[in-house]
Amino acid sequence: EAGVTQSPTHLIKTRGQQATLRCSPISGHTSVYWYQQALGLGLQFLLWYDEGEERNRGNFPPRFSGRQFPNYSSELNVNALELEDSALYLCASLGTSGHNEQFFGPGTRLTVL
Amino acid sequence: SQQGEEDPQALSIQEGENATMNCSYKTSINNLQWYRQNSGRGLVHLILIRSNEREKHSGRLRVTLDTSKKSSSLLITASRAADTASYFCATAPTPGKLIFGTGTRLQVFP
Repeated sequence: EAGVTQSPTHLIKTRGQQATLRCSPISGHTSVYWYQQALGLGLQFLLWYDEGEERNRGNFPPRFSGRQFPNYSSELNVNALELEDSALYLCASLGTSGHNEQFFGPGTRLTVL
Repeated sequence: SQQGEEDPQALSIQEGENATMNCSYKTSINNLQWYRQNSGRGLVHLILIRSNEREKHSGRLRVTLDTSKKSSSLLITASRAADTASYFCATAPTPGKLIFGTGTRLQVFP
């Protein structure tokens, strides 16, 4: 069974640009989560998508947005990039055990110059 | 704010020694999970303990949960260099939202 995949692995942008990060969940998983892990900080919950709908959102400004497609893959968009957006962005899909176990992708390292 | 906080922030031990890391959380939980993160990579789920369980084992891992103290501990026995990673506890105070602790960085020297 293929795991959660994310692309690209690395992304370098300049301030003010937009970044698009992509995630494909494990086959059969319908919920996708996005987290931001800045250097020296823990994982911060960003967004939760389930069945194509945004279900919950972390404490991030509106320039962080995303969507989930009919095949349950997801996109995270970050507009008007700022230097502090530099971080590892992790995507996870929710297991089907009913215990909130999450399966993580390898992450996208976003660097804003 | 973080739901959980891990202690210690960093731990260095020799191969063969045991490593213990602790997690404290703030609200009531249905379960508590531990994850491992190798340097700069995604997290791997290690073990889940339900709120009505006090102890759980998985291979060299032993997790305890004390809901009265809102704390959990992860013990790795007979550590190996490959155990070098960051370890996070996570809880779900509301459905669909997993809150991670601050993490413990474990370094195991050969």
